[in-house]
Amino acid sequence: DIQMTQSPSTLSASVGDRVTITCRASQSISSWLAWYQQKPGKAPKLLIYKASSLESGVPSRFSGSGSGTEFTLTISSLQPDDFATYSCQQYNSYPWTFGQGTKVEIK
Amino acid sequence: QVQLQESGPGLVKPSETLSLTCTVSGGSINSYYWSWIRQPPGKGLEWIGYIHYSGSTNYNPSLKSRVTISVDTSKNQFSLKLSSVTAADTAVYYCARHVTSSSCFGYWGQGTLVTVSS
Repeated sequence: DIQMTQSPSTLSASVGDRVTITCRASQSISSWLAWYQQKPGKAPKLLIYKASSLESGVPSRFSGSGSGTEFTLTISSLQPDDFATYSCQQYNSYPWTFGQGTKVEIK
Repeated sequence: QVQLQESGPGLVKPSETLSLTCTVSGGSINSYYWSWIRQPPGKGLEWIGYIHYSGSTNYNPSLKSRVTISVDTSKNQFSLKLSSVTAADTAVYYCARHVTSSSCFGYWGQGTLVTVSS
């Protein structure tokens, strides 16, 4: 299985901060990576697919980059609604696997 | 707008079979791939398997011997059966629809907590 490792596990930030989350794959996954946002007690919400494509309706302050084994999710200016847990998912090969999540907390 | 809703028992005894159904509304189950994903309390997400409306399936090898996913296009539903459950199968179970021509998940149900306990 491809292991997905996110860093950091927890991130403390303030409204307006630029935030970057990293996801590393244990082997190359090309650009077959998605990012999700999840709030407590809710289902994940797709933000980014194919590493850098913004899902319809997702604010443009979210962006994704990377290919191969290293990927980043960037929030250009953190908003109050963005405090949540973010997870990456590879869909290059079966079984599809997720990172353990990065919790973005209020500083 | 497509909506998904999981249903089924919230408590299952060890060694028994967990059975959940996902009902799709606001759109047809045809022409898409549909997955089950779970999340143990406080942990990350785990993909369980998918089914295409045609009936083709693919399962996570870690669960393959215990999992069956089926589809009922006449009811716009698909289902999950997980046999011989243990406490390690306690999780929130989500059903989800794949993004068109992709293998990530664009629509999710709200999730249902299934606890395995005697």
